[in-house]
Amino acid sequence: SAVISQKPSRDICQRGTSLTIQCQVDSQVTMMFWYRQQPGQSLTLIATANQGSEATYESGFVIDKFPISRPNLTFSTLTVSNMSPEDSSIYLCSVKSGQAYEQYFGPGTRLTVT
Amino acid sequence: GNSVTQMEGPVTLSEEAFLTINCTYTATGYPSLFWYVQYPGEGLQLLLKATKADDKGSNKGFEATYRKETTSFHLEKGSVQVSDSAVYFCALSDIAAGNKLTFGGGTRVLVKP
Repeated sequence: SAVISQKPSRDICQRGTSLTIQCQVDSQVTMMFWYRQQPGQSLTLIATANQGSEATYESGFVIDKFPISRPNLTFSTLTVSNMSPEDSSIYLCSVKSGQAYEQYFGPGTRLTVT
Repeated sequence: GNSVTQMEGPVTLSEEAFLTINCTYTATGYPSLFWYVQYPGEGLQLLLKATKADDKGSNKGFEATYRKETTSFHLEKGSVQVSDSAVYFCALSDIAAGNKLTFGGGTRVLVKP
């Protein structure tokens, strides 16, 4: 399975500011995804990060709030913009490679907005 | 659309007890099914998977069988340990839905010595 790292692992941010989260994979992968896990909740897909084109967002998530980049097959960033306390969550990236059925997850970024 | 329903927790057990976590799904296509585990303060780890009907996934003493007739994928372990305390998520992935993972609500398991 791929080794996935995320930076930062955690952060405490002021409302109104933005935070960019990085996801790095140790091998080229076909698909990369970003999920949000609100406190005590399950995971919700934010978007699929597409290499070389705009991300595909799920209902309820918009590019202005969660801009995503994917410049190559091993790296992606998610920005949480104009943060409010409701954005306090764990943000996780996941990857899927080739014909594999499963996705593997990074360790997550724990964000607290005050 | 696709959905996953799993039993609510928390589930509290004594060490060496038998664990079952129920999971049922609704899917428009032919999904692959997964169990993920999240230990306290950590990310998600893939525990096991099954990609077609009657497949049995197994890992670390956990098992789950893909039952198409009952649209279920129940997780079982015969003898739990304190180290199995975690949150367990049932999930499905459907090529028709772009390989996105749809998660159940998660079940917290607490194993007491």
